[in-house]
Amino acid sequence: NAGVMQNPRHLVRRRGQEARLRCSPMKGHSHVYWYRQLPEEGLKFMVYLQKENIIDESGMPKERFSAEFPKEGPSILRIQQVVRGDSAAYFCASSPARGDSYEQYFGPGTRLTVT
Amino acid sequence: QQPVQSPQAVILREGEDAVINCSSSKALYSVHWYRQKHGEAPVFLMILLKGGEQKGHEKISASFNEKKQQSSLYLTASQLSYSGTYFCGTGGNDYKLSFGAGTTVTVRA
Repeated sequence: NAGVMQNPRHLVRRRGQEARLRCSPMKGHSHVYWYRQLPEEGLKFMVYLQKENIIDESGMPKERFSAEFPKEGPSILRIQQVVRGDSAAYFCASSPARGDSYEQYFGPGTRLTVT
Repeated sequence: QQPVQSPQAVILREGEDAVINCSSSKALYSVHWYRQKHGEAPVFLMILLKGGEQKGHEKISASFNEKKQQSSLYLTASQLSYSGTYFCGTGGNDYKLSFGAGTTVTVRA
């Protein structure tokens, strides 16, 4: 039973380019969370999605960032016109159901470096 | 609001015990504990729900005191493999978790 998969694992972008991060949840999970982690810091919630729906995007910057979780295929976090401050590790987690009484399983993360 | 973890860091010798605390200013419904090794994904350890229960995972256990709005993680007879950064994530009976800044545990032989 495969765990949460993310790709790419490492991504280097120049300022102004676009970054696309992909997340495939665990089999049977239809709830996906995206988190950002800066070096030596904790995880910061960005967005929560269910299939075809954005439930909560309150942690995501209003400009340049967007997320989707289509009916078919992985969830995608998209960052347009990246800036140096976007450099971080981006983790997605999946859960079998809605609610914080259910565990969230994390993927290996995508480490974004903006040069 | 982000929960507060203490201590920030702890150094242990193999076989020693440690306690990591996680406190919140908001009413808690759930507490999730994770361990993350450098450059890797956070690994789920356990979840505690409102009700003051205690759980265990090998020699790692945790308690949840909803009145005090805090949880404690107990590392007993620590092993080298316990090294890493431990995060608590707190939930308020919706779906969103707020994570603490982490406690770095170093276990030495």
